Amino acid sequence: QVQLQESGPGLVKPSQTLSLTCTVSGGSISSGGYYWSWIRQHPGKGLEWIGYTSYSGSTYYNPSLKSRVTISVDTSKTQFSLKLSSVTAADTAVYYCARYYDNSGSFDYWGQGTLVTVSS
Amino acid sequence: QSALTQPPSASGSPGQSVTISCTGTSSDVGGYNYVSWYQQHPGKAPSLMIYEVTKRPSGVPDRFSGSKSGNTASLTVSGLQAEDEADYYCSSYAGSNSWVFGGGTRLTVL
Repeated sequence: QVQLQESGPGLVKPSQTLSLTCTVSGGSISSGGYYWSWIRQHPGKGLEWIGYTSYSGSTYYNPSLKSRVTISVDTSKTQFSLKLSSVTAADTAVYYCARYYDNSGSFDYWGQGTLVTVSS
Repeated sequence: QSALTQPPSASGSPGQSVTISCTGTSSDVGGYNYVSWYQQHPGKAPSLMIYEVTKRPSGVPDRFSGSKSGNTASLTVSGLQAEDEADYYCSSYAGSNSWVFGGGTRLTVL
């Protein structure tokens, strides 16, 4: 059973960079056909796709966030990471990591999510 | 790339059927058969219920079914049960390796 777990600071100051890591267990992060994704949910709101990376480092981002987002993968640690720069209060959200499976065109495994608050 | 449109709420009594709609455009829902649906209970992560418009992952009850017509996809929950009370989100491929979600629908079992 694939499991994903987010980790990182729960509080970030405005204008700083939000950094989160997702650790994958129970499956290989290096298998083809999967993209390792970040999705966020503003308090009481819907889901927003942030972007994803393949195990080889090919990345794709939401156009609305592209200028501030970097997603990277470290296969040796079975981890992938999110960096979101120049954050504001509007970036306060629960951040989920998830596995996108190409064969199903869907996000089939999710982490439990981590709340990141942007505040001074 | 705008969010897909879902009704904010839906409800039904136990045993009844409820259908939740998800409206997009020809650039997302209408253009691809990559619509999926997710169930989210309060304080929990979303869970995949339907993928590729109509397919159910193993372990998902066959009370859950999906369909699509034009730019609108739908999730139907038949034989409503108390544990079906949750938020439901649709998602669609939007081209150029990008994805869009709906705003969510809160399903209440009366």
